[in-house]
Amino acid sequence: LAKTTQPISMDSYEGQEVNITCSHNNIATNDYITWYQQFPSQGPRFIIQGYKTKVTNEVASLFIPADRKSSTLSLPRVSLSDTAVYYCLVGDTGFQKLVFGTGTRLLVSP
Amino acid sequence: GAVVSQHPSRVICKSGTSVKIECRSLDFQATTMFWYRQFPKQSLMLMATSNEGSKATYEQGVEKDKFLINHASLTLSTLTVTSAHPEDSSFYICSARDPLPGQTYNEQFFGPGTRLTVL
Repeated sequence: LAKTTQPISMDSYEGQEVNITCSHNNIATNDYITWYQQFPSQGPRFIIQGYKTKVTNEVASLFIPADRKSSTLSLPRVSLSDTAVYYCLVGDTGFQKLVFGTGTRLLVSP
Repeated sequence: GAVVSQHPSRVICKSGTSVKIECRSLDFQATTMFWYRQFPKQSLMLMATSNEGSKATYEQGVEKDKFLINHASLTLSTLTVTSAHPEDSSFYICSARDPLPGQTYNEQFFGPGTRLTVL
């Protein structure tokens, strides 16, 4: 499983766009990039997954450059309820074990 | 999406007692479930992979005799913390993958977690 590196924490204000970048230099050809969100005292929740270019859903967008050695989770117009820890994980679709890195603790202020 | 439940959500026990935590997949069958432990302000740490009908696979450094895992059915896995001590106090989370046919991505569904406090 490829190792990932993310900023430990980020601060933002309500209404701003937040971009969290994850580095995964050793990503393999079959690996996908997946992001999870975790609120305090809750289990993680799947946000988005992608392989290359751009993926968008109702919650976020995921930007993946051509070399796939990094990815950026973009949260449009964050609100206070987006305060959480965001984890970037890398692995192939067949993999089952999830190895969580340190995650990025996002704090959204009024 | 699929739902995974855990019971209990919180448990407080005395040192030396054993505690059982249940993890259920409510609307799908899961041949494989996973157990994680999370200490305050830290990331999730995978403890073991629970396989229906067979022995669990433990991660390095996790004592299999202390953390007993049983996966007796396709919807239920249990984690028993035996002879619990204060250092076992943590947030225990389970997860399961819903192996839908043709699913191209690997989304795992997590339970809400169980807060264990050992006095």
